[in-house]
Amino acid sequence: GAVVSQHPSRVICKSGTSVKIECRSLDFQATTMFWYRQFPKQSLMLMATSNEGSKATYEQGVEKDKFLINHASLTLSTLTVTSAHPEDSSFYICSASAGGHTDTQYFGPGTRLTVL
Amino acid sequence: DAKTTQPNSMESNEEEPVHLPCNHSTISGTDYIHWYRQLPSQGPEYVIHGLTSNVNNRMASLAIAEDRKSSTLILHRATLRDAAVYYCILRDVTGTASKLTFGTGTRLQVTL
Repeated sequence: GAVVSQHPSRVICKSGTSVKIECRSLDFQATTMFWYRQFPKQSLMLMATSNEGSKATYEQGVEKDKFLINHASLTLSTLTVTSAHPEDSSFYICSASAGGHTDTQYFGPGTRLTVL
Repeated sequence: DAKTTQPNSMESNEEEPVHLPCNHSTISGTDYIHWYRQLPSQGPEYVIHGLTSNVNNRMASLAIAEDRKSSTLILHRATLRDAAVYYCILRDVTGTASKLTFGTGTRLQVTL
């Protein structure tokens, strides 16, 4: 199946700093990429949807100025957590879709963010 | 997207078949049934999807009820590596790439 990578896999940062997470589709062009967040023992919650070259669409309750998403190419999307705080500590997962009517999403391995 | 209902957890012995049920009584005619699974500390992994007919692939089989109000994911021989949370999700086939709404899924435990 299609491969999606994320970098870094794990990051620890101090409160107030910004963290950038990269999501890449390695063997296909992703017209749409999604960013999810997952807290311990909970399900995945969609944060935003991004299409290449367009502004991201954020889910209700997700601050777009805090979680900056850039989808500059068909193989790369980035999520920047600005001024991170301990409550932002979570497992961040991206997925990518090539589109089409079946529209399978391929997920990255996730990034574990810990804010001290 | 229409909602799905799954048992919170199930157990299976290794080498035995596993049937994971999903109810989706409000499914619409344009909803595909997708299954994903998430192994511990990993991103979800696509398993299988279908619309009306039963589907088979190398990972699993998907049995869809005639009225489409329920479906069953079948793992033919469970292994320890199949221990994961399995999510049944409905996706509208119309329009462009659409988001996935994850429920709580079924946590499958596989024992020796």
